[in-house]
Amino acid sequence: QVQLQESGPGQVKPSETLSLTCTVSGGSISSYYWSWIRQSPGKGLEWIGYVDYSGTSNYNPSLKSRVTISVDTSTNQFSLKLSSVTAADTAVYYCARGLVPTARFDYWGQGTLVTVSS
Amino acid sequence: QSVLTQPPSASGTPGQRVIISCSGSSSSIGSNYVYWYQQLPGTAPKLLIYRNNQRPSGVPDRFSGSKSGTSASLAISGLRSEDEADYYCAAWDDSLSVSLFGGGTKLTVL
Repeated sequence: QVQLQESGPGQVKPSETLSLTCTVSGGSISSYYWSWIRQSPGKGLEWIGYVDYSGTSNYNPSLKSRVTISVDTSTNQFSLKLSSVTAADTAVYYCARGLVPTARFDYWGQGTLVTVSS
Repeated sequence: QSVLTQPPSASGTPGQRVIISCSGSSSSIGSNYVYWYQQLPGTAPKLLIYRNNQRPSGVPDRFSGSKSGTSASLAISGLRSEDEADYYCAAWDDSLSVSLFGGGTKLTVL
């Protein structure tokens, strides 16, 4: 059974960079596409972007200038970096396994709340 | 950025059938498969329907999906109290090159 687990700081200061890592267990990261999705408090879901095992990535145009998603196949992990954060970036961040180009995400992490605050 | 439109709320009594709609465009639902997710309170979303009308293993057949043109719908029959959750539709958008989610529908079982 594939499992995903997010890790990283729960609080980030405004203008700094949010960094999260997703560890994949129970399966190899060397297939499928690996996405980050966020959910602002009381709001809906927003796809941030994906990376595949080769490092090829694609980002939501609304965040593209601030986002980097990378993969480390040796540790079965992939990571999110979101720069110049503001309070609007406060959200629960989920990592998920998906198929591209589709909106199919069949395994999700439990999510981690990141609060942007000084 | 919700360009997939869902009603914010829906409700029904136990045993009833409820339908949740999702409206998109020619570049999203009109050109791609629709997916539905169920999010129970305090948990991560769970894939409920894939490829418009397919159920993953373990999803009861009370849940069904359909698609016509640029719209899709999720039907839940034999409503149960444990179905109370937020439901999201999703589809890839060819023009935006993004995975889109609807704004979500909060289902209340009365």
